[in-house]
Amino acid sequence: GAGVSQSPSNKVTEKGKDVELRCDPISGHTALYWYRQSLGQGLEFLIYFQGNSAPDKSGLPSDRFSAERTGGSVSTLTIQRTQQEDSAVYLCASSLVLGRNQPQHFGDGTRLSIL
Amino acid sequence: DQQVKQNSPSLSVQEGRISILNCDYTNSMFDYFLWYKKYPAEGPTFLISISSIKDKNEDGRFTVFLNKSAKHLSLHIVPSQPGDSAVYFCAAGKTSYDKVIFGPGTSLSVIP
Repeated sequence: GAGVSQSPSNKVTEKGKDVELRCDPISGHTALYWYRQSLGQGLEFLIYFQGNSAPDKSGLPSDRFSAERTGGSVSTLTIQRTQQEDSAVYLCASSLVLGRNQPQHFGDGTRLSIL
Repeated sequence: DQQVKQNSPSLSVQEGRISILNCDYTNSMFDYFLWYKKYPAEGPTFLISISSIKDKNEDGRFTVFLNKSAKHLSLHIVPSQPGDSAVYFCAAGKTSYDKVIFGPGTSLSVIP
């Protein structure tokens, strides 16, 4: 497709379950980013990929969060043993290359609700 | 510690008038700045950017002004239209650092 695609668009799950969120970046975009937006909050940076590599994982909120990217394309963000504070909209973005003056193109997000 | 601040959570403007959205930052190392617009249930979309070597960048109805000494930038929308009603995020980055830091956003309502 033409834009960044995220799935699922909505996910409701019980506390303690694992969830996997998927991001399909724009074809040819080498840089990929994950953010989360909690209710009434701005965009919180989580992690970025340059190709398949994530040089800095310090933005991930806890060790229950992990992300991977394969083939320089699709990325998955996995949250293990979900907690209620994980409820948020998780946004993925991609850009042609990493670096300055590269606008990021965002997907519409996955709204995650933990019961 | 919030490095990018948007102190007005919301703003209402009459259609046809100017909308001014403000953004302040604390890190003097930031050297480029971007504005994104977000409608409900959609991801943010890029609007306009400015490099620290400039103090103004204009694109149609949108102009971004940068005051480096005050660590302040603003987005002007003239004339404002009802379709401009959205949340506007200010973002800042630095050349040597790959993260872009987003502000908390300002919700703009343009009243017909």
